[in-house]
Amino acid sequence: DTGVSQNPRHKITKRGQNVTFRCDPISEHNRLYWYRQTLGQGPEFLTYFQNEAQLEKSRLLSDRFSAERPKGSFSTLEIQRTEQGDSAMYLCASSSGGYNEQFFGPGTRLTVL
Amino acid sequence: KNEVEQSPQNLTAQEGEFITINCSYSVGISALHWLQQHPGGGIVSLFMLSSGKKKHGRLIATINIQEKHSSLHITASHPRDSAVYICAATGTASKLTFGTGTRLQVTL
Repeated sequence: DTGVSQNPRHKITKRGQNVTFRCDPISEHNRLYWYRQTLGQGPEFLTYFQNEAQLEKSRLLSDRFSAERPKGSFSTLEIQRTEQGDSAMYLCASSSGGYNEQFFGPGTRLTVL
Repeated sequence: KNEVEQSPQNLTAQEGEFITINCSYSVGISALHWLQQHPGGGIVSLFMLSSGKKKHGRLIATINIQEKHSSLHITASHPRDSAVYICAATGTASKLTFGTGTRLQVTL
């Protein structure tokens, strides 16, 4: 399967712990996006990369959040000192260019207790 | 006011009915996307359009740039069409701005 993959699919953690999620995009895609979706809402943009460069970060992305795409392939999203409000589905998507169709991964569901 | 708004929020239809979901946006866009999300979270792109109309099987998407409005139509609806349908816009940046989604339930 050559689609977008995300790991882990589910993560349960205690408040205050750090968590890291991984996204592997479709191999030839140079754009990678992170979105967050809370229950009953549409997804919200967090950040995106073109190759290894992080081009935009949402105001939703507090200092506790950091994302990397070190070699322009997979990306990681880390949340430090998790809070209950961080509980959400974290979605990754990739595309072959700026205004092309985005392909989504299955998401990582985070629950902070 | 959200930049992308959808209606209705919830929709129940009987199998075979013609379904319309509407999307309005308040910003300039380069493209309008219709996405489908099944329980469990997976999102599939149905259409990306910047003008006119596109058709794929029983699904039809239209957009009116002047009125900043798009519609998704499902003909001969089937229970397997039950899902959340999300409208999203691409503006000057390539990120997507999403509507809150329309939850569709098609019953036998």
